[in-house]
Amino acid sequence: EDQVTQSPEALRLQEGESSSLNCSYTVSGLRGLFWYRQDPGKGPEFLFTLYSAGEEKEKERLKATLTKKESFLHITAPKPEDSATYLCAVQRTGNQFYFGTGTSLTVIP
Amino acid sequence: NAGVTQTPKFQVLKTGQSMTLQCAQDMNHEYMSWYRQDPGMGLRLIHYSVGAGITDQGEVPNGYNVSRSTTEDFPLRLLSAAPSQTSVYFCASSWDRFNQPQHFGDGTRLSIL
Repeated sequence: EDQVTQSPEALRLQEGESSSLNCSYTVSGLRGLFWYRQDPGKGPEFLFTLYSAGEEKEKERLKATLTKKESFLHITAPKPEDSATYLCAVQRTGNQFYFGTGTSLTVIP
Repeated sequence: NAGVTQTPKFQVLKTGQSMTLQCAQDMNHEYMSWYRQDPGMGLRLIHYSVGAGITDQGEVPNGYNVSRSTTEDFPLRLLSAAPSQTSVYFCASSWDRFNQPQHFGDGTRLSIL
């Protein structure tokens, strides 16, 4: 069964305390893995797409990596404005998207 | 740029009522989709469209209808609302169905009493 699991469900960090969010997946025929940021009351906002194992993408304090079974979103020296829910989604052959339930990140000043 | 626009932002319905959630995009995207987001569950695909005149079912299509008469608009219809359809609904669009990131609207928060 196709599945996307994100961990932890919630994460509280002090400002400047680096950490990683995990997205593990079991889908056949992965076409791409997507990371989104979602703020309260808003729709998801696209961050990264990863297509193959070993690929990495960076944007400001965020870095996304991909292996054959999971993806990590590394947050370096986070700031309070990084507080949000981070969603992972995978697209498989047949083009269906599957979303994880997200990690709620709180960065404390 | 407006991006993806959803209306209304909030709606309360009674069981059995019908309504249409509106979605419009101004990016000339071919692929559009509707999701629902419920607490403790990931976004789940309701229906999608790969172009004007073409629609297909997603993971949870029961109780919902869609049509795509233009590239810009993709309305979602609830024919007879049920409490189980209380949710936040998101519309999304992308250039095509292949490996493209989706652009989301800000959602419609729907309560069925």
